[in-house]
Amino acid sequence: GQNIDQPTEMTATEGAIVQINCTYQTSGFNGLFWYQQHAGEAPTFLSYNVLDGLEEKGRFSSFLSRSKGYSYLLLKELQMKDSASYLCAVSDSNYQLIWGAGTKLIIKP
Amino acid sequence: ETGVTQTPRHLVMGMTNKKSLKCEQHLGHNAMYWYKQSAKKPLELMFVYNFKEQTENNSVPSRFSPECPNSSHLFLHLHTLQPEDSALYLCASSQDGTGESFSYNEQFFGPGTRLTVL
Repeated sequence: GQNIDQPTEMTATEGAIVQINCTYQTSGFNGLFWYQQHAGEAPTFLSYNVLDGLEEKGRFSSFLSRSKGYSYLLLKELQMKDSASYLCAVSDSNYQLIWGAGTKLIIKP
Repeated sequence: ETGVTQTPRHLVMGMTNKKSLKCEQHLGHNAMYWYKQSAKKPLELMFVYNFKEQTENNSVPSRFSPECPNSSHLFLHLHTLQPEDSALYLCASSQDGTGESFSYNEQFFGPGTRLTVL
């Protein structure tokens, strides 16, 4: 079966760095997405990785290792507004998105 | 209006009611999706419409009935729902580059409809 695993919840301190991991087992791979979802709001796109390596976009970076079926989202200089759920999703061989359950990130002052 | 809009934002209904959820996208996309989001569970893809044709129906019970009259509008008709159907229903859209094989592009989500079935 297809499976996406990510931690249920993480806590970090304002100004610090946090890494949210995602491991996947899917039938085929056509890219991995990270979305951010604030409580009561729509998920919004953060990043897309299809090749191995690190993609940096401001305070957020996303890493992919296809051989290990592994990705992480790195958030630097954490701000209170970063408190949200972070969703990992993989596009499978049929270009269908397989979603993880999301990681709820709590930022403390 | 910009992006993807959904109405209503909140809905409470009894098991014998019939209601409809509406989604509209203002992005010129040609693919639209219905997802179900339950607490602490992955997003569940329910239906996909590509160029107004339904291309995915992930074993969704018949009490959920989608309708896509054009590439900008998507409806989800609900009837005789069960309490376990209570969830956040999200609509999304994307631009499919090929129109035949479903090549993936970023999905844009609406704010969702919070559905409670009593």
